[in-house]
Amino acid sequence: DIVMTQTPLSSPVTLGQPASISCRSSQSLVHSDGNTYLSWLQQRPGQPPRLLIYQISNRFSGVPDRFSGSGAGTDFTLKISRVEAEDVGVYYCIQGTQFPRTFGQGTKVEIK
Amino acid sequence: EVQLVESGGGLVQPGGSLRLSCAASGFTFSSYNMNWVRQAPGKGLEWISFISGSSSTIYYGDSVKGRFTVSRDNAKNSLFLHMNSLRAEDTAVYYCAKRLDDWGQGTLVTVSA
Repeated sequence: DIVMTQTPLSSPVTLGQPASISCRSSQSLVHSDGNTYLSWLQQRPGQPPRLLIYQISNRFSGVPDRFSGSGAGTDFTLKISRVEAEDVGVYYCIQGTQFPRTFGQGTKVEIK
Repeated sequence: EVQLVESGGGLVQPGGSLRLSCAASGFTFSSYNMNWVRQAPGKGLEWISFISGSSSTIYYGDSVKGRFTVSRDNAKNSLFLHMNSLRAEDTAVYYCAKRLDDWGQGTLVTVSA
């Protein structure tokens, strides 16, 4: 199974400041079709998960442009350019290249 | 608007069975792969099952393989998860998801004597 490792596990951020979350996979996420199936989800307190980013860097419908994804191969990053109060929650990466699908442990973003 | 509504959760004894349902609306259900994902209290997300639109491809996570069965009824826009031999560690909120795009609110399964 592909192991997904996120860092940090907790990220206290000042409102308006940037935040960055790293996700590393134990093997390349490049699929045989040439695509890389790495997604980022946000889970606000008490809410179900919500898709933010798919295939490394594509923002899902309705996702603010302060969220961006980057990376390749085994190393990926989610960046929030200016953290807002509504961004508080836990962020997960997930690989969709291979079964079983696997999530990172989650990174808790909170306001300082 | 896409809607996914899970139901069927509840309290069940260890070794018991439960069937979860996910009612889908707002999209062409048969065209989309579906997933079940669960979240134990205070823990992270765990993917547990995938089913393709035609039901021709099915996968399970190791923790539920042999105990859980996923199915769908495209005529009724419904997704199911049949859970047998339930254990305390299966206690979680169970979410159905249209690919990863859209998620239901979840249904809580508690396995306890």
